[in-house]
Amino acid sequence: DTAVSQTPKYLVTQMGNDKSIKCEQNLGHDTMYWYKQDSKKFLKIMFSYNNKELIINETVPNRFSPKSPDKAHLNLHINSLELGDSAVYFCASSQPKTSGIISEQFFGPGTRLTVL
Amino acid sequence: GESVGLHLPTLSVQEGDNSIINCAYSNSASDYFIWYKQESGKGPQFIIDIRSNMDKRQGQRVTVLLNKTVKHLSLQIAATQPGDSAVYFCAGYPYPFFGNEKLTFGTGTRLTIIP
Repeated sequence: DTAVSQTPKYLVTQMGNDKSIKCEQNLGHDTMYWYKQDSKKFLKIMFSYNNKELIINETVPNRFSPKSPDKAHLNLHINSLELGDSAVYFCASSQPKTSGIISEQFFGPGTRLTVL
Repeated sequence: GESVGLHLPTLSVQEGDNSIINCAYSNSASDYFIWYKQESGKGPQFIIDIRSNMDKRQGQRVTVLLNKTVKHLSLQIAATQPGDSAVYFCAGYPYPFFGNEKLTFGTGTRLTIIP
């Protein structure tokens, strides 16, 4: 059973288009994340949602808009795609515990976005 | 701000030998560190973690060492196997951790196993 799933796995599109990446987790976790991994494998957080509420919003262009219809889903919509948006995008989830106790983040398989 | 995970970019190890992957961090307030393994075409996968009040933690074939004096973290893999080929990341949470802080990843080391 897939714990964190993403669709599509590959996405090739033209500059200026709008696209969405979907993420679902069946782990019952309250927190979900989006990460971007560039061509040099550098992995950086973009957003974090806890129970559908935005918690972390890094310095990301406002062309990127996460949407969480329920706590099992966190979708990423990208407007007016640019060449520099080409990367692998990872969704992750975790179950926060009480203050000071850290839980593992589970990552999805990634979506490779190529902007032409 | 914090900075976690200055890595050497590549490491080649003979199959059966032990691998040691190193990571440096620049913020003494980092509280909790994690090692992730990322195989080709997959997402990062948790390997082992360590809190700042510990110096060493062991798992199955893996050991993480934390030297807070020199702000250095290492992952040791015993008897390296072909399946260990991957990119390894150290990552850290800041101190104090309340539950919503961001996880900062290092640059990663690509481990290649030589048959």
